[in-house]
Amino acid sequence: NAGVMQNPRHLVRRRGQEARLRCSPMKGHSHVYWYRQLPEEGLKFMVYLQKENIIDESGMPKERFSAEFPKEGPSILRIQQVVRGDSAAYFCASSSLGGENTEAFFGQGTRLTVV
Amino acid sequence: GIQVEQSPPDLILQEGANSTLRCNFSDSVNNLQWFHQNPWGQLINLFYIPSGTKQNGRLSATTVATERYSLLYISSSQTTDSGVYFCAVYYGGRRALTFGSGTRLQVQP
Repeated sequence: NAGVMQNPRHLVRRRGQEARLRCSPMKGHSHVYWYRQLPEEGLKFMVYLQKENIIDESGMPKERFSAEFPKEGPSILRIQQVVRGDSAAYFCASSSLGGENTEAFFGQGTRLTVV
Repeated sequence: GIQVEQSPPDLILQEGANSTLRCNFSDSVNNLQWFHQNPWGQLINLFYIPSGTKQNGRLSATTVATERYSLLYISSSQTTDSGVYFCAVYYGGRRALTFGSGTRLQVQP
């Protein structure tokens, strides 16, 4: 029973390029959350999605960042025209029910380095 | 928004020692999770505990929601316990976790 799968584990991009981060939730989970962790800090919420719907994007930067969770396939976090400040670990979590009703499980994260 | 404060921020222990990590939150919460982030960065679920006490091996957790705190106990610590321990809460109508800043634990042999 695979857990939350994220890929790639490590991603290096030059300033101005695009970064695409993928997340496959646990089997049976239809709720996906993205968090960002800057060095030596806790995780900060970015966006919450269900299949084909963005439920809460209050933590997403207004520009360059977007997320989707299509009917088929993984959830994608897309960062356009990356800058050095985007360097961080990006974690995806999934749950079977939304919100506080069930436990959230995290993937291993994608570590993005912008050079 | 809610403030989630963890203490101590850093802790160094000798192998075999016991410790208590604390998580205080400034408002009522609907649920709470404890995580261990190991030195490789992986987040491992420890407890899902809105109230009461739970135990899992050498670890146990207690949440007293009415007094707005949770405690994580680690007994007979091992070097593999090293890493950062986070508490995270659900509050209000938010459907995502709000994390504390973590307690960094180093267990020395």
